[in-house]
Amino acid sequence: EAGVTQSPTHLIKTRGQQATLRCSPISGHTSVYWYQQALGLGLQFLLWYDEGEERNRGNFPPRFSGRQFPNYSSELNVNALELEDSALYLCASSFDTGKETQYFGPGTRLLVL
Amino acid sequence: AQTVTQSQPEMSVQEAETVTLSCTYDTSESDYYLFWYKQPPSRQMILVIRQEAYKQQNATENRFSVNFQKAAKSFSLKISDSQLGDAAMYFCAYRTSSGSRLTFGEGTQLTVNP
Repeated sequence: EAGVTQSPTHLIKTRGQQATLRCSPISGHTSVYWYQQALGLGLQFLLWYDEGEERNRGNFPPRFSGRQFPNYSSELNVNALELEDSALYLCASSFDTGKETQYFGPGTRLLVL
Repeated sequence: AQTVTQSQPEMSVQEAETVTLSCTYDTSESDYYLFWYKQPPSRQMILVIRQEAYKQQNATENRFSVNFQKAAKSFSLKISDSQLGDAAMYFCAYRTSSGSRLTFGEGTQLTVNP
């Protein structure tokens, strides 16, 4: 069974540009979570999507947004990129919320120059 | 707010030996889940073990086991018969039973010496 996939693996942008990151969950999983792993800041929760709706978001500005498609894949958009947005962005999926374990993808490394 | 603390930034162990990684957490919830994930140099986050707070029995997965002390809010990971492939960053994580987000500790970098 295929795991969580993410694309692209690496992304280089300049300050002020927009970045789009993509995630495909494990088959059958309906919830998708996004985390940011920035150097020195650890892993921080960004967003949670379930059944096409944004259910919760972490302490990030509105320029971090996303959506979930009918096939449960998800997109994370980061507008007006800043240098400190450089990080590894991890996507995870689970069957549903509450009791289910989250399984992670390999991540997208975003570098903002 | 829930917090997770890993007080050992780095640990090392000899191949075939046993090592214990520490994790403490702070919560006012009574029902929650605890996890250990490993992140090797490839950066893929891999689930190692999971513990439900309502279960008194400590979880075990092959060479990996936990010592869950609910009253002390402690959740340590024991790796037996350490292998070179165990070398990775290990993260302790917490989630409430009703919540969605994982709260992670700072991580412990484990080195396995041959």
